[in-house]
Amino acid sequence: GNSVTQMEGPVTLSEEAFLTINCTYTATGYPSLFWYVQYPGEGLQLLLKATKADDKGSNKGFEATYRKETTSFHLEKGSVQVSDSAVYFCALSDPLTGNQFYFGTGTSLTVIP
Amino acid sequence: DAEITQSPRHKITETGRQVTLACHQTWNHNNMFWYRQDLGHGLRLIHYSYGVQDTNKGEVSDGYSVSRSNTEDLPLTLESAASSQTSVYFCASSERTSATQFFGPGTRLTVL
Repeated sequence: GNSVTQMEGPVTLSEEAFLTINCTYTATGYPSLFWYVQYPGEGLQLLLKATKADDKGSNKGFEATYRKETTSFHLEKGSVQVSDSAVYFCALSDPLTGNQFYFGTGTSLTVIP
Repeated sequence: DAEITQSPRHKITETGRQVTLACHQTWNHNNMFWYRQDLGHGLRLIHYSYGVQDTNKGEVSDGYSVSRSNTEDLPLTLESAASSQTSVYFCASSERTSATQFFGPGTRLTVL
């Protein structure tokens, strides 16, 4: 079956620190992979995505590379800001199941000045 | 600009009452989804629809129903609200051939 496992939180970092949030997946087919971000009191917003192996998604300084050999899609940012404080969700979409989404449990990030 | 809206944003109800949460999208997307978000569980799929008159059960569909009479709307009904249904509910939509889902702002439901 399909599933996503992501790093347990919460994560607390100082401003300008390096961020990594680990995400690994299990899928029956060839999924697309996503990172969504949820700011307090808001819905989920697409942060970045990758649709095939070795693709790198990037947005707002965040990056993630689709690694088929390790079934991973780790989120990274070189220098976090206070405004990056949010909950981050890793997800996969499996075309074999009509593009249904499977979400990780979310990782809460707090960046302190 | 196209968007997806949910109403109400907050709702308090009593056990046993019927509750309907609205979801409206102006993206003209064929696919629409309802999720609930609970601490420690992430988002779990309740129901989804791939077009008008099409509805399907998700992972946690017991106690919920949906209907799709037009492209824009997918209301979620709790037939007889239970305290276990206290949660934050998100609606999402996507194009038929695209995997990316766009989310509404959410409805916080409290069942007393």
